[in-house]
Amino acid sequence: SQQGEEDPQALSIQEGENATMNCSYKTSINNLQWYRQNSGRGLVHLILIRSNEREKHSGRLRVTLDTSKKSSSLLITASRAADTASYFCATDERVGVGQFYFGTGTSLTVIP
Amino acid sequence: EPEVTQTPSHQVTQMGQEVILRCVPISNHLYFYWYRQILGQKVEFLVSFYNNEISEKSEIFDDQFSVERPDGSNFTLKIRSTKLEDSAMYFCASSLYGTANTEAFFGQGTRLTVV
Repeated sequence: SQQGEEDPQALSIQEGENATMNCSYKTSINNLQWYRQNSGRGLVHLILIRSNEREKHSGRLRVTLDTSKKSSSLLITASRAADTASYFCATDERVGVGQFYFGTGTSLTVIP
Repeated sequence: EPEVTQTPSHQVTQMGQEVILRCVPISNHLYFYWYRQILGQKVEFLVSFYNNEISEKSEIFDDQFSVERPDGSNFTLKIRSTKLEDSAMYFCASSLYGTANTEAFFGQGTRLTVV
């Protein structure tokens, strides 16, 4: 199975601190994407990192990808209460037409 | 900013009834998907659709399910004879290219409750 697994399952931090979430997957990928989901709401695309990239930034987000370890991390710097949400990684397969495999998610709580 | 829109946001249906969930993907996108998320569980792939046909489907997507792009804008998921276990949030997504090359953008979801 290609499914990713996020670690930790839950994370609680103070506003202003940095939050790091990790994702591991099992087989070769073309890209890895991170999504955010507020409770009971839709999935918001955050960032895509391709298999030939090692690091990518978008605002307060920093994503790394280590294909040798089949893992990725999402760092949110200077967290805000509005960052409270579940964060998922999603991978595709190097072969195949089109599905994303989602991990179990990390539930982030940022305490004001 | 373009977005994927889904209707209705919440649907309650009786067991055994048919439901149609509707989606309007981003207008220039070519690939369309349905996923579902049972409460507290993973987001699961149901089906992908390209060039007016199913390109990939999961084992969840059995004969009870069907998809259609009836016109140039809508993409629908039909569930025939709903079961209690079909209760979930259903997400539609679209992407410009296949999963290898581009982001997928998701709608806000339709919460389906089967009673």
